[in-house]
Amino acid sequence: GNSVTQMEGPVTLSEEAFLTINCTYTATGYPSLFWYVQYPGEGLQLLLKATKADDKGSNKGFEATYRKETTSFHLEKGSVQVSDSAVYFCALSVRSSGGSNYKLTFGKGTLLTVNP
Amino acid sequence: GAGVSQTPSNKVTEKGKYVELRCDPISGHTALYWYRQSLGQGPEFLIYFQGTGAADDSGLPNDRFFAVRPEGSVSTLKIQRTERGDSAVYLCASSSGKGLAGVNEQFFGPGTRLTVL
Repeated sequence: GNSVTQMEGPVTLSEEAFLTINCTYTATGYPSLFWYVQYPGEGLQLLLKATKADDKGSNKGFEATYRKETTSFHLEKGSVQVSDSAVYFCALSVRSSGGSNYKLTFGKGTLLTVNP
Repeated sequence: GAGVSQTPSNKVTEKGKYVELRCDPISGHTALYWYRQSLGQGPEFLIYFQGTGAADDSGLPNDRFFAVRPEGSVSTLKIQRTERGDSAVYLCASSSGKGLAGVNEQFFGPGTRLTVL
C-alpha cells in the first residue's frame, strides 16, 4: 500500500531560522508528491508539488526535491517567518490504473511555530 | 463562490443519530473526494466521485457511511447510527479531473467538524 511518514512535531523556531521537515514515502507505482499547509482556522492549501524524480517543487520560499533513490521529499526553507506558523502535511498520489482517481495519502502533519 | 464550500461548519449530534454533511465543489469540477481528519492525524481518504458515480469507496470505514452525488455537483456524506469514534473533521475536495503528468490538484473546503456526544 501507500504510506507517508513525516517528522513529528511540534517544531518551534525563531524567525529567520532554517527549516527542514523530513518526509519519506512508500508507494505502489510512481507517485506524485505534495506538501500541503493548513494555517490556523483555514483549510488545506497546496504548497508545492513534484511529479517525477529529481523535480524540485517551490513556492513562497519553500522547496522540496523528489528523491526516488531515498524515497524522500523533505521540505526546506532558508529563513522562516512568523506567518509560516501552520501545520504542514506531506502527501502522495498514485493515479489508479486506467482511471482518473488521484486520491491523496497524507502524513500525520507537523506543527510549526515560528517565534519573533 | 470561487472555492469549495461545506455545510455545516460544525455539527454536534448524539450517539445513534443520523447526520448529513454537504459539499459544494468548484463549478465545473468533475472529481470530488471526501476525507476524514481525526485529531492530530492527517486526512484519510473516504470516497471518490467522478461525475455522479462513486468510482472508489474503499476508504469508507463501514456500511454506516454512505455518500451521493446525484447530479454530478453537490455531494452529501451520510452517516447512520453515529458513534463517538466518528468525531472528526470531514473534508471535501474537488478537482478538474483532468490529470497532467500524474498531477491533479485538489482544492479543499474548510471542513465540517463533527462531534458525536
